[in-house]
Amino acid sequence: DIQMTQSPSSLSASVGDRVTITCRASQGISNYLAWFQQKPGKAPKSLIYAASNLQSGVPSKFSGSGSGTDFTLTISSLQPEDFAIYYCQQYNSHPPTFGGGTRVDFK
Amino acid sequence: QVQLVQSGAEVKKPGASVKVSCKASGYTFTGYYMHWVRQAPGQRLEWMGWSNPNNGGTRYAQKFQGRVSMTSDTSITTSYMELSSLTSDDTAVYYCARPICSTLSCTFDYWGQGTLVTVSS
Repeated sequence: DIQMTQSPSSLSASVGDRVTITCRASQGISNYLAWFQQKPGKAPKSLIYAASNLQSGVPSKFSGSGSGTDFTLTISSLQPEDFAIYYCQQYNSHPPTFGGGTRVDFK
Repeated sequence: QVQLVQSGAEVKKPGASVKVSCKASGYTFTGYYMHWVRQAPGQRLEWMGWSNPNNGGTRYAQKFQGRVSMTSDTSITTSYMELSSLTSDDTAVYYCARPICSTLSCTFDYWGQGTLVTVSS
């Protein structure tokens, strides 16, 4: 199975900060990479698919980039509603696998 | 709008089985497989398998082979996931999810709200 490693595992930030989260795959996955946001007690919410495509309704402050093994999720200006856990997921090969998550909380 | 509504929380004893339902609406039910993903406390999300509502076909993660069954009832646009021989390691939130697929694998655009299954003696 492809291993997905996220860094950092947690970060503290302030409202208005630019935040970048990294995801690395154990082998090349082309651009078959998705990002999710999860808030406490809620289901994951799809933000980005195919590395850089925003899901319908997701604000443009979220952006994704990368290809092959290294990917990033950027939040351009952090807002209070963005404090959550973010997960990456590969779907280049079976089975689909997830990263361990990055917790974004208040500094 | 697309909605996946799951059944309520369950408490089971070790060795028992649990069956979770997922009612789909807002899209053509037979146009998408239904996937299941679980999240144990402190663990990463874990893909469990899928069912094909059209023909009953299934594919399960190797870890769950032999004790998971995924089915669908097209008359009521509902999918089910049944897990047997439960242990405390199966304590988790179980999600159904609608897929977006590459050639070999899938990600998920819509998720159910989750069903907490607690296994405790």
